[in-house]
Amino acid sequence: EADIYQTPRYLVIGTGKKITLECSQTMGHDKMYWYQQDPGMELHLIHYSYGVNSTEKGDLSSESTVSRIRTEHFPLTLESARPSHTSQYLCASSDSLRGSYEQYFGPGTRLTVT
Amino acid sequence: GEDVEQSLFLSVREGDSSVINCTYTDSSSTYLYWYKQEPGAGLQLLTYIFSNMDMKQDQRLTVLLNKKDKHLSLRIADTQTGDSAIYFCARVLPVGQAGTALIFGKGTTLSVSS
Repeated sequence: EADIYQTPRYLVIGTGKKITLECSQTMGHDKMYWYQQDPGMELHLIHYSYGVNSTEKGDLSSESTVSRIRTEHFPLTLESARPSHTSQYLCASSDSLRGSYEQYFGPGTRLTVT
Repeated sequence: GEDVEQSLFLSVREGDSSVINCTYTDSSSTYLYWYKQEPGAGLQLLTYIFSNMDMKQDQRLTVLLNKKDKHLSLRIADTQTGDSAIYFCARVLPVGQAGTALIFGKGTTLSVSS
């Protein structure tokens, strides 16, 4: 069973607020990812990290930013939330030593911006 | 067409077998995955198959891979109401120089009636 955690699970916030979605994993995985899941359930990669101090943008443009100061922690920040940011955000991690590349997901954060 | 395609809905009766199908376009995919998502939850890795395999069985789950037709299927034997969920097919995509991300289909909603 994967040990990857996301907080908060649900967040309702007003337009213009700054928010940080937390993601932590205790598996020592080097790679971490953020996906955005739209109402149609399709998943889009928005950020990824190979390791500490490494972050890259994914294929879906996002106004969010991420940081990776510690191996286990990969928070996502929105400086000024807008209704268009309303979505489900899923964090995942993988171990590059495993050649099968499988990713393990957290439970997700459901964000609603009013 | 889409990179990874799945039918959107499948409805079965409890005790029957379910077969969820997936097609993909990139024949260089090395690993293919099946994930399960229950309402309000993250994605749970069910199983994966390496591209040089034709079949993989794990308890009630059987994965079949037809590499020539780029077709992947997930068979669930003796389907239970607890199997009701969204099932995602995914393939690994090289991301950047050393990382990997997953490309997901849009998910198949499996509905099991008693």
